[in-house]
This record gives sequence, C-alpha cells and structure tokens, in this order.
Amino acid sequence: DAKTTQPNSMESNEEEPVHLPCNHSTISGTDYIHWYRQLPSQGPEYVIHGLTSNVNNRMASLAIAEDRKSSTLILHRATLRDAAVYYCILRDVSNNNNDMRFGAGTRLTVKP
Amino acid sequence: DAGVIQSPRHEVTEMGQEVTLRCKPISGHNSLFWYRQTMMRGLELLIYFNNNVPIDDSGMPEDRFSAKMPNASFSTLKIQPSEPRDSAVYFCASTLQTGGAYTQYFGPGTRLTVL
Repeated sequence: DAKTTQPNSMESNEEEPVHLPCNHSTISGTDYIHWYRQLPSQGPEYVIHGLTSNVNNRMASLAIAEDRKSSTLILHRATLRDAAVYYCILRDVSNNNNDMRFGAGTRLTVKP
Repeated sequence: DAGVIQSPRHEVTEMGQEVTLRCKPISGHNSLFWYRQTMMRGLELLIYFNNNVPIDDSGMPEDRFSAKMPNASFSTLKIQPSEPRDSAVYFCASTLQTGGAYTQYFGPGTRLTVL
C-alpha cells in the first residue's frame, strides 16, 4: 500500500483557517485520498475524499496537488470542536481490497 | 439510523479469562472491520469481512484472537485467553462497498482492560 507522511502535530487559533498537509509521493493512479479524524474518546469519522480534483463538503475542503504527490485538508474556520487527530489515508480501488490502513496522523490543537 | 453499535463499552477482566466483544453494523452495509487502538501501535486493522466472509485476517495478533460474522447484522471478536497486553480500545466499522471510494463508519469502541 502507498504510504502517507503527515506532521505529528499542529496548532491553530480558533476561527482561523487550518491547512493540514499530507505527502504521498508513491501514490498510484488508482489511489483515492481519504481523510478521517478522531475526536477524543471517539471512533474515527469520515471527513472527505478525492481522486484528482479538489473537493469541498460541509466539513472541509481537500486540495490535491496536480501531480497528486501531496494533498492538503483545509478547515476554513477552526473551532474548539475540531481538535482531533487527522488521518490521511490512501486506498487503492483497483485491487478490490476494502481495508484502510491508518498511520499516526496529525494531532490538531485549537487554541481559543 | 443508530450507527454502528458496540458492546460492551467498557470491559475489565482478569488475565486468562475469555473476552467477547460484539458489533452490530449499520443495516444494509456489506463490509465489517475490526480495529485495535493503543498508544504504542496506533489504529491497527485486525480483520475484515465482506458479505459475512472473512477476507483478510492478517492483522489478527495470534491464535488467541478469533472473529466471526454469523449474519449481516452481527459480529464478534473473541480473545481467549486474554492477556494484559491485549488492553486497548477495539473499534468496529462498517461500510457499503459498491466499488470505488467508500466511507467507513466507526462505532464508539470497547475499552478493554486486562488485569
């Protein structure tokens, strides 16, 4: 499986935008980029995913580099409730495997 | 929908005892996953099922661990005998796998403590 690299931790101020980077230099053409987050004492939850084009939903935006070797999760206005561990995961849809392998993720701290 | 349901939410047991963790996936989902999370190793995939059939159990630590999915609405993860190093939070997740990208929905987890 292609691997991802994320910073261990990041800090943000409340109500400011947050850009969470992810490097995936060995990404293949059939790898989707997924982002999940895990709030304290909860299971992970889906945030967003994309393949080539930038994506927006009610939670966040996903900016994918043109060469797809990196991506950035954007929280437009961080709130205290956004403090969580954010995971960037690649999933290859060409091999019919359903599994998803989580790395260490980025721990986001939001300061009031 | 109630989401993925796991029971119990907390389990404290003594070394050597049998532990059974339970999961009810979201109705209509056809894939189910068991994960284990510890501070040292992070979130690890233990096993997953497609249409009630185990597909990949390479993450199961050893023979003391076993998982079953007798029907589409129920799965168990059993540890026998349990050891202190099995202490962790165990998550169950489910998804509707229809090809392409998909979303996994996680349960609240079972916090297991083996004394």
